[in-house]
Amino acid sequence: RKEVEQDPGPFNVPEGATVAFNCTYSNSASQSFFWYRQDCRKEPKLLMSVYSSGNEDGRFTAQLNRASQYISLLIRDSKLSDSATYLCVVNIPGNQFYFGTGTSLTVIP
Amino acid sequence: EPEVTQTPSHQVTQMGQEVILRCVPISNHLYFYWYRQILGQKVEFLVSFYNNEISEKSEIFDDQFSVERPDGSNFTLKIRSTKLEDSAMYFCASSAMGQNSNQPQHFGDGTRLSIL
Repeated sequence: RKEVEQDPGPFNVPEGATVAFNCTYSNSASQSFFWYRQDCRKEPKLLMSVYSSGNEDGRFTAQLNRASQYISLLIRDSKLSDSATYLCVVNIPGNQFYFGTGTSLTVIP
Repeated sequence: EPEVTQTPSHQVTQMGQEVILRCVPISNHLYFYWYRQILGQKVEFLVSFYNNEISEKSEIFDDQFSVERPDGSNFTLKIRSTKLEDSAMYFCASSAMGQNSNQPQHFGDGTRLSIL
């Protein structure tokens, strides 16, 4: 079973739309959770950490559901510049970090 | 803003040769990582390093690989007897703290390794 699973998409949405991504993780002892974005052939860049109580950063909202072992990312009012691959990252005990395969988002004018 | 730097940006090597990929983590960070990403695939954890020793490594990180922090700034990944399937983008990352801290990792631009 994969440590981290994401729907690869692609998600193609019009500008201004709201889009949500989910990610599930298999290790119940996972400690830390993050969303990164990766542009084509570039390095992953931190979008936001995910806290137990959920957190928001501008148009982005992250949620964590430990009971169901999933993380979500909501993007409101999508911009063209949001087009990228969104990576779910989970830190399991022992300081290993696992990446999901990523969800591809294209925002269409 | 401080950043992680990696050199070279692209390395082309004959199969069977050894390569050393170099990274300069952010100066006040204590935890260092190497990842690889084969073209079109996900980012895969290779190894984490703290206090001058490996703290965790994945199944990918076998005897072919080694890491070193030869001085106070560089963090290197050595790949011996390279194989065609070692061709990938290799990312270095660093963080101020390790697990349980919610401290994110900051990634370098990556080194594209091409094995011929």
